[in-house]
Amino acid sequence: KNEVEQSPQNLTAQEGEFITINCSYSVGISALHWLQQHPGGGIVSLFMLSSGKKKHGRLIATINIQEKHSSLHITASHPRDSAVYICAVRPWNSGNTPLVFGKGTRLSVIA
Amino acid sequence: DTAVSQTPKYLVTQMGNDKSIKCEQNLGHDTMYWYKQDSKKFLKIMFSYNNKELIINETVPNRFSPKSPDKAHLNLHINSLELGDSAVYFCASSRIGGEVGEQFFGPGTRLTVL
Repeated sequence: KNEVEQSPQNLTAQEGEFITINCSYSVGISALHWLQQHPGGGIVSLFMLSSGKKKHGRLIATINIQEKHSSLHITASHPRDSAVYICAVRPWNSGNTPLVFGKGTRLSVIA
Repeated sequence: DTAVSQTPKYLVTQMGNDKSIKCEQNLGHDTMYWYKQDSKKFLKIMFSYNNKELIINETVPNRFSPKSPDKAHLNLHINSLELGDSAVYFCASSRIGGEVGEQFFGPGTRLTVL
């Protein structure tokens, strides 16, 4: 079983819909990352969280450390949001341990 | 002004060959990583270097040898390439302090072994 589980695996939405992607993990962590990978393949870091909530434009990320759960929300979704969204955790160790990744959620937003 | 760069972007080669992928970061970070993304798009750590020293070496065949000539570079050399080595390889970097551990990724190198 992967230490990081994401749901759903695939998601199709109509433009304008509110989207939620979930991430659960089973290890103690020092931080959780949300990454975006576009069809071209590049990976971009969206958020790094260790508690609470962060917002950037139409993207909101929350984390509940006690429940070992995080969500990524996209408001007013747009076709350009179509990408794979990857949750990754940094297991509690030292400052720069490598990330452990979920398998990603493939989002398609249709106009 | 690319933060983390990799070369080449695409690499097509025959089984049994030896090849290298280069990675450079101009962010002043002290830790660099190599990740492998398989055909199912699953990312997994291969190596981690901190200040030119190997700190993580996951279960990777010893045909893969990372080399860090300085803090800004982490190259990946692969001997005797096999079909199963076909994947996208991502380099990344991060630093201690500030936004601890936020990782910046290179554009990836798509390796195809024929």
